[in-house]
Amino acid sequence: NAGVTQTPKFRVLKTGQSMTLLCAQDMNHEYMYWYRQDPGMGLRLIHYSVGEGTTAKGEVPDGYNVSRLKKQNFLLGLESAAPSQTSVYFCASRRIGQGGETQYFGPGTRLLVL
Amino acid sequence: DAKTTQPPSMDCAEGRAANLPCNHSTISGNEYVYWYRQIHSQGPQYIIHGLKNNETNEMASLIITEDRKSSTLILPHATLRDTAVYYCIVRGDRGSTLGRLYFGRGTQLTVWP
Repeated sequence: NAGVTQTPKFRVLKTGQSMTLLCAQDMNHEYMYWYRQDPGMGLRLIHYSVGEGTTAKGEVPDGYNVSRLKKQNFLLGLESAAPSQTSVYFCASRRIGQGGETQYFGPGTRLLVL
Repeated sequence: DAKTTQPPSMDCAEGRAANLPCNHSTISGNEYVYWYRQIHSQGPQYIIHGLKNNETNEMASLIITEDRKSSTLILPHATLRDTAVYYCIVRGDRGSTLGRLYFGRGTQLTVWP
């Protein structure tokens, strides 16, 4: 049981380049999330998904797109990277049970846009 | 925005108990209190959660006041590896199923030798 994995771990892009961040979970969770974290700040929600084939915007969705073609994978795309997208990106999946819930986070992807 | 208040930083000697407070005066009756932590450069890690009763697991204990307006996370024997930012979170979606977690600034716990 690998939990939540993210690839790549680190990437450097030039302004205007595109890339896709991959998140995978092996816990059969319906809900998945993409957050970004900037220095000295908490996590901000970019996009989320409540199940295969569904996605929705979070609080900072501009400049990003997502897809959830398979239940276990949640992709985050940057079509035209900007320096403001330099950040650490965390993916999470959510387990809902009786008596609360738990979110499991991946190790993060560090993105530098020059 | 987060609906909790935590001290920005705390220190603790290794081997001693670390008691991290959190105020959540606007919590509603069906909302849980969650604790996560983030060790430097890593993804957040779930610690514990509770509704009304005190809870304990292999990582920590959670003490919730009777009026539910505040709670304390207790790490009974802190180690250097417990140095991290600790987040107290009240589930941010009243009545919805989104489950979005609002991470505020948290408390930077530093455990010293």
